[in-house]
Amino acid sequence: NAGVTQTPKFQVLKTGQSMTLQCAQDMNHNSMYWYRQDPGMGLRLIYYSASEGTTDKGEVPNGYNVSRLNKREFSLRLESAAPSQTSVYFCASQEGLATVEQFFGPGTRLTVL
Amino acid sequence: GESVGLHLPTLSVQEGDNSIINCAYSNSASDYFIWYKQESGKGPQFIIDIRSNMDKRQGQRVTVLLNKTVKHLSLQIAATQPGDSAVYFCAENNAGNMLTFGGGTRLMVKP
Repeated sequence: NAGVTQTPKFQVLKTGQSMTLQCAQDMNHNSMYWYRQDPGMGLRLIYYSASEGTTDKGEVPNGYNVSRLNKREFSLRLESAAPSQTSVYFCASQEGLATVEQFFGPGTRLTVL
Repeated sequence: GESVGLHLPTLSVQEGDNSIINCAYSNSASDYFIWYKQESGKGPQFIIDIRSNMDKRQGQRVTVLLNKTVKHLSLQIAATQPGDSAVYFCAENNAGNMLTFGGGTRLMVKP
C-alpha cells in the first residue's frame, strides 16, 4: 500500500494564479483532511471530508475550496493564490469517526511570489 | 479560544537518557489526545493516543500521561535514540474528529 500520496511535491506560483493540490489514499478510509503548516508552527485544518460526498470547513478555510472526488481522492484548490498561502500542505486520511489515527501524506511545499 | 500548546520549544537530551515532552491544553471537552512525531521533510506520524478517561497509557518505549486537573499532557520516551530526533506535536480532538495541534517541540538527541 502506498498510503497517502500527494502531488505535486513542490510548486511555485505567482500571486493570482490558481492550482489544485491532489491527494489520494488507498486504505479505504472514510475521512480525509487538508492541513497547512507554516514555518515553526503546528498544523491547522483547512477543510475536511468526514465521508464521501461531504465536506466541511476547518479552522482556516478562506481562499480554498475542496472536492471529494470519490472515496480515494480529496483535492484542494487555490483559486487566486496569495503570498499568505505560502506553506506546506498536508493531506491526511482516517478510517472513520470511531478511530483516532490520522495518516499523513508527505506534503506539498507551495511558494506564492 | 481553545488551544493546545507546549512549554518547551527545544529539548536536547543525551542518547540513552529519558525524554519528557510537555503540553498544556485548554479544551476540557476533548475526548482524546494524540502525540505525533514529524521528521524533517516528512508528514506527521502517529505515536500514541490517550482517551480523556485515562491517566496513563504505555506503548513501545513511550508513555503518555494525562493530568486533567491541571490540563497537562506529557510524552515520555525511554532510552532516547538518535532516531527519536524530530519535532513532536500534541493534538486534541474537537467535534467531528477535527484535531487542534500544538506548536511543536524539537527533540535533539546528542550521541
